[in-house]
Amino acid sequence: KAGVTQTPRYLIKTRGQQVTLSCSPISGHRSVSWYQQTPGQGLQFLFEYFSETQRNKGNFPGRFSGRQFSNSRSEMNVSTLELGDSALYLCASRRDEGAHQPQHFGDGTRLSIL
Amino acid sequence: AQKITQTQPGMFVQEKEAVTLDCTYDTSDQSYGLFWYKQPSSGEMIFLIYQGSYDEQNATEGRYSLNFQKARKSANLVISASQLGDSAMYFCAMNLNQAGTALIFGKGTTLSVSS
Repeated sequence: KAGVTQTPRYLIKTRGQQVTLSCSPISGHRSVSWYQQTPGQGLQFLFEYFSETQRNKGNFPGRFSGRQFSNSRSEMNVSTLELGDSALYLCASRRDEGAHQPQHFGDGTRLSIL
Repeated sequence: AQKITQTQPGMFVQEKEAVTLDCTYDTSDQSYGLFWYKQPSSGEMIFLIYQGSYDEQNATEGRYSLNFQKARKSANLVISASQLGDSAMYFCAMNLNQAGTALIFGKGTTLSVSS
């Protein structure tokens, strides 16, 4: 069974640009969540999508947005990039059957802002 | 607000020894889930084990077990018979909401296993 797939693995951008990251969940998983991981702040929840709707949102500015398609694939967009957006962005998918099902993560996209 | 605390930045253990990674949590919810993840240097997060707040038995998954002490709000991970491949960062996490679709993580513990 294929795991969570994130593309691209690495990305280099400059300040002010925008970027789109992609995530394909495990087949049958309808919930997709995004996390940002930095050395200073650790792992922080960005948002979660289910059935093409944002269901939960973390404490991030509006420059961070996302969407989910009918096949559960999700994209995350960051506009007007800042140096502080350099991070590992992790996507996780989960079966939405009952509480406390584990989230399964992809390998992440490492974003560097110059 | 929920909070996860991992007080050990780094732990060192020899192969075949057991090791305990500490995790304490804070929440006012009665129903919650606790998770442990492993992150090798390559970056992917690997799910290891889960404990529900109403589970009376400690969770076990192969060489991993979770020492759950609800009154003390601790959920320590025990790895028995450490292997070189266990060297990684380990994160304790708790669900931020009842559905478990958002997680709050601790700062992590780096485990180094030597031969």
